[in-house]
Amino acid sequence: GAVVSQHPSWVICKSGTSVKIECRSLDFQATTMFWYRQFPKQSLMLMATSNEGSKATYEQGVEKDKFLINHASLTLSTLTVTSAHPEDSSFYICSASRTGIPYEQYFGPGTRLTVT
Amino acid sequence: AQRVTQPEKLLSVFKGAPVELKCNYSYSGSPELFWYVQYSRQRLQLLLRHISRESIKGFTADLNKGETSFHLKKPFAQEEDSAMYYCALSYQGAQKLVFGQGTRLTINP
Repeated sequence: GAVVSQHPSWVICKSGTSVKIECRSLDFQATTMFWYRQFPKQSLMLMATSNEGSKATYEQGVEKDKFLINHASLTLSTLTVTSAHPEDSSFYICSASRTGIPYEQYFGPGTRLTVT
Repeated sequence: AQRVTQPEKLLSVFKGAPVELKCNYSYSGSPELFWYVQYSRQRLQLLLRHISRESIKGFTADLNKGETSFHLKKPFAQEEDSAMYYCALSYQGAQKLVFGQGTRLTINP
């Protein structure tokens, strides 16, 4: 149990376009979902925390107008990278928690975004 | 600000040798510390948490508040222990984890 999926697993888009990444909790209801960004050979950087039905809380330095997060249901959260640029190329990982307790996060496999 | 430091990006030991992955943190209050592991081509998963004081896959970690450390140890490394290990911190009132930079552990046969 406690499986989190992400779609797509990898995506290539042109500069200036927007791309949406989905994060789903397959067998549990996630009260809280987290979005991370991971640069090559670096750690996971938390971008934002979202609770179902409310606005996401963004970490300092993360542009909320560029990285739109929607957590419309207890099993789905989406991250939309708007007007993507090459510097947005990265590995994006989501995680979900059924309890909201930080360490009780189940991680998705990640999405590799390449902006050309 | 809360910070987690893993001083070694890479660590290589031989099978059967002891292994210690270092983790230091900065937080003035009482944190919760965790170790996460990511095996090749798999997703990140929780390995152990300090509060449970348990041994998982032969690994243990003790929280040393005086040294603000939470080193991960295993007396006899196995090849299947090769993975990326992340130390992470959480604290009261925070609905998030703060991750260290990670250490890539390689166990040589």
